[in-house]
Amino acid sequence: QKEVEQNSGPLSVPEGAIASLNCTYSDRGSQSFFWYRQYSGKSPELIMFIYSNGDKEDGRFTAQLNKASQYVSLLIRDSQPSDSATYLCASDSGYSTLTFGKGTMLLVSP
Amino acid sequence: IAGITQAPTSQILAAGRRMTLRCTQDMRHNAMYWYRQDLGLGLRLIHYSNTAGTTGKGEVPDGYSVSRANTDDFPLTLASAVPSQTSVYFCASSEWASGASYNEQFFGPGTRLTVL
Repeated sequence: QKEVEQNSGPLSVPEGAIASLNCTYSDRGSQSFFWYRQYSGKSPELIMFIYSNGDKEDGRFTAQLNKASQYVSLLIRDSQPSDSATYLCASDSGYSTLTFGKGTMLLVSP
Repeated sequence: IAGITQAPTSQILAAGRRMTLRCTQDMRHNAMYWYRQDLGLGLRLIHYSNTAGTTGKGEVPDGYSVSRANTDDFPLTLASAVPSQTSVYFCASSEWASGASYNEQFFGPGTRLTVL
């Protein structure tokens, strides 16, 4: 069974620090990886996707992919209290579906 | 406003009752999905549809059925609800193409269902 593993957290960081969120996946055939942010009581929203080895930067967010290690990470620079949310990692499962991890809760304290 | 709508927003249902959760998207996406989200278990795929007229089973399909009569609508039916189906249900859609490296799924606001 295809799995995506994340540490449930909470990961607590002070405002202005770098938050590092990690994810591993079991299916070597997965090609694309996604980071969704979900605020409490809300629906998930996509913040980053990556499909090539290396880093991809978008504003304060950097996604990192290492296919050899089957490892994906999300770095959030200059963390803000508004970044406090649960972050879901997902990988493509083949065809049109995604497999989601259980999410890591991030708490950014002022 | 473009996006996905779900109805009802929340519902309390007696066990054994039939219930249909509605999902409509106006983005003309070909693929649609139903997930349930439970504390500690994350998002789990129930059923999906890659195009109108076709459906597929996800990770947790038992007790649920879907239909895809047209592009925009993807209802989820619980034929005889049980308490273990108490959950938050999210509908999602995407513009999917075979072999594409990118498949962003857009999520609806969710339906909170309680089965007593």
